[in-house]
Amino acid sequence: DTAVSQTPKYLVTQMGNDKSIKCEQNLGHDTMYWYKQDSKKFLKIMFSYNNKELIINETVPNRFSPKSPDKAHLNLHINSLELGDSAVYFCASSQYRGSSYNEQFFGPGTRLTVL
Amino acid sequence: AQSVTQPDIHITVSEGASLELRCNYSYGATPYLFWYVQSPGQGLQLLLKYFSGDTLVQGIKGFEAEFKRSQSSFNLRKPSVHWSDAAEYFCAVGEGGGFKTIFGAGTRLFVKA
Repeated sequence: DTAVSQTPKYLVTQMGNDKSIKCEQNLGHDTMYWYKQDSKKFLKIMFSYNNKELIINETVPNRFSPKSPDKAHLNLHINSLELGDSAVYFCASSQYRGSSYNEQFFGPGTRLTVL
Repeated sequence: AQSVTQPDIHITVSEGASLELRCNYSYGATPYLFWYVQSPGQGLQLLLKYFSGDTLVQGIKGFEAEFKRSQSSFNLRKPSVHWSDAAEYFCAVGEGGGFKTIFGAGTRLFVKA
């Protein structure tokens, strides 16, 4: 039973295209995240959502638009893809507990290659 | 803003040898600290975390970490490394009121037979 799943696992596309990555968690968590991992393995948060509301937006270009239809899903839509968008994108989830920090559960990642 | 530094980009140890991965953080108050492991082609998995209390914390897979406030460090240790421990290790600190985690650049562990 996969806790955090992402589709697709691999995505190869041309510059200028629009693409989406889907994320679902079955852990009953109320907080979800998107991270970008570059070729040097550096992991940077992009967005965090709590109860479907955007909490953190780390100065991500507005070509990236996350959407959370419910607490179990956080999808990432990317418009006008650029070469620099090539990376591995990870979805994660956790249960918010006030100002404390709980373990995040990560999906397997989506490797996006922009040609 | 908080930051996390992992000084070693990669480390190679022999199987059965001990391991210590270094992590330094910058934060004014008591930080929320984590170590995650990423096996090749996988997502991250939590090894252990420190919020308060005992400064030596035990994690999964035989790992432990020690929080040293005076040194702003949270080093990860394992007494005897197994070949399956070869992976990327990330130190992280919580920020943003529970909604944001800052990750270090990672340390790649190689294990030689």
